[in-house]
Amino acid sequence: EAQVTQNPRYLITVTGKKLTVTCSQNMNHEYMSWYRQDPGLGLRQIYYSMNVEVTDKGDVPEGYKVSRKEKRNFPLILESPSPNQTSLYFCASSLYAGQSYGYTFGSGTRLTVV
Amino acid sequence: ELKVEQNPLFLSMQEGKNYTIYCNYSTTSDRLYWYRQDPGKSLESLFVLLSNGAVKQEGRLMASLDTKARLSTLHITAAVHDLSATYFCAVDGDDMRFGAGTRLTVKP
Repeated sequence: EAQVTQNPRYLITVTGKKLTVTCSQNMNHEYMSWYRQDPGLGLRQIYYSMNVEVTDKGDVPEGYKVSRKEKRNFPLILESPSPNQTSLYFCASSLYAGQSYGYTFGSGTRLTVV
Repeated sequence: ELKVEQNPLFLSMQEGKNYTIYCNYSTTSDRLYWYRQDPGKSLESLFVLLSNGAVKQEGRLMASLDTKARLSTLHITAAVHDLSATYFCAVDGDDMRFGAGTRLTVKP
């Protein structure tokens, strides 16, 4: 089944403890992206990747890192999480950037930083 | 910078009624998307609108795009409870920019 898989679905962590949220897609998509969703703000892009080893900042990149060492995986890294990073995170992919089918989204990761 | 504004943000309507959700955006784009999100779930693609005047329909939902007015509408016809969800529009500029979402509640 074609899908974007995120893990974990739920995560509670403490301030400053490094964490990684994984994202994997099995559709051979070139474009991958991370969003955070906060009430009343819609989805805001954190980072995106046009292809392997090509990443760029979105609207809200502060406090996050990403890597794209292989096409299928695009992990989101929080080196030192803070409470303002408590949010619902979505990974998304598409065949190419701007391609006409929209994005396929993962199931989401609800992160709580205490 | 591309800005996307949806209204209303909250919509409570009775079953059987019609209503329209509006999506305005600030810069030229000819690719607009509508997504649906159920509570606690991910986003599901509803419509992809790729040109001026494009109209797509699926069941009780119909989406249209006017690129000259930089406006898309999502029209709901004879609403039913199953349509209760949050609806997002998104516009493709340098990246995909989302509106804040419209939380629709359909009451019996």
